[in-house]
Amino acid sequence: EPEVTQTPSHQVTQMGQEVILRCVPISNHLYFYWYRQILGQKVEFLVSFYNNEISEKSEIFDDQFSVERPDGSNFTLKIRSTKLEDSAMYFCASVGESGLVGELFFGEGSRLTVL
Amino acid sequence: GDSVTQMEGPVTLSEEAFLTINCTYTATGYPSLFWYVQYPGEGLQLLLKATKADDKGSNKGFEATYRKETTSFHLEKGSVQVSDSAVYFCALSQTGANNLFFGTGTRLTVIP
Repeated sequence: EPEVTQTPSHQVTQMGQEVILRCVPISNHLYFYWYRQILGQKVEFLVSFYNNEISEKSEIFDDQFSVERPDGSNFTLKIRSTKLEDSAMYFCASVGESGLVGELFFGEGSRLTVL
Repeated sequence: GDSVTQMEGPVTLSEEAFLTINCTYTATGYPSLFWYVQYPGEGLQLLLKATKADDKGSNKGFEATYRKETTSFHLEKGSVQVSDSAVYFCALSQTGANNLFFGTGTRLTVIP
């Protein structure tokens, strides 16, 4: 069964450092997403990406965040200067040409710990 | 704004017990409702969904009915198995929307 893969599974970083979280969506999917879950809180939408540009972003997705699809397979989330409150589980997701959020495939998540 | 409130966990049940995980929502209009499951070491997977009032979503023995009058979408299973141990997320989306609103997730542990 096709799956979304994320790396690293866990990253520990110092406050102020740049972090890049990587995702390989399912190969024929067209819409890509990042969500995050701070421990004990809700899973929150960060950003969606389609046709090589951001299609929607939440208030959380400020100038410290950026996304990129540098080649035909990877989809990355970069945090330029991490803060303590960026510590969370980050989930990547993708969906095919339907674009229906109810058909999202999620990765298993990347846990980011900012010290 | 739209939001989902989910039953606090964790929930621990014995095998073959009845499961209910409560989920209520706040939303304008007629959202679609979902339950996602995350098994250990895996990504979130769609478990079931309902797109309009009184619809019942079902999969793998789990059921949830879209109740507009009580704004609820409670997840139920008549007899849980050890393999059902996972984190369960309730979520909603508006028609044509580009994202999902999730609850906090409820961890279920089923013991033999």
